[in-house]
Amino acid sequence: QKEVEQNSGPLSVPEGAIASLNCTYSDRGSQSFFWYRQYSGKSPELIMFIYSNGDKEDGRFTAQLNKASQYVSLLIRDSQPSDSATYLCAGGGGTSYGKLTFGQGTILTVHP
Amino acid sequence: GAGVSQSPRYKVAKRGQDVALRCDPISGHVSLFWYQQALGQGPEFLTYFQNEAQLDKSGLPSDRFFAERPEGSVSTLKIQRTQQEDSAVYLCASTLQGATEAFFGQGTRLTVV
Repeated sequence: QKEVEQNSGPLSVPEGAIASLNCTYSDRGSQSFFWYRQYSGKSPELIMFIYSNGDKEDGRFTAQLNKASQYVSLLIRDSQPSDSATYLCAGGGGTSYGKLTFGQGTILTVHP
Repeated sequence: GAGVSQSPRYKVAKRGQDVALRCDPISGHVSLFWYQQALGQGPEFLTYFQNEAQLDKSGLPSDRFFAERPEGSVSTLKIQRTQQEDSAVYLCASTLQGATEAFFGQGTRLTVV
């Protein structure tokens, strides 16, 4: 079992819909969780990070963390075609601060 | 510089050839990470430097992989006697000490033929 697992994709949603991306992790020592967006052929770019249980909102993006269930999610409201990319969930912190453990990524396509 | 710079962007190597990949982190960033990203997968950790000290090399897949950061700024990842399974994108990331966000370079796409 991988340390960070993402829900299998690809995920396709219509423009304006909510896209829901999910991730589970096995290392209870992980303290922080990150969502990166990666366009094809480009480097990952950080969208959000979260380290406390609950929700964290930033514009159209909401990250959710449930440490008891070892579950992290990212909601994208009012999805746009420009949101089409691979979304990477990563865990970090604990004894390996700074080192990130990534999931395999979920490909999101937002169609007009 | 404005961002993390990696060179070359693309490298084609014949099997058995040695390669060297360069990473120039953001000025002042103490921490530097190397990751390997295979096609269709998430990045996998290779090694970590804090200044010139290599504090974690647990992700290096074999003794053919070697990384250095002699002056605490530019880092080089060297792969000796390349194999086809080494084909991947090699990403470098840097952070300020204790910072949350890691900034990634554009990566070097290595193809071993």
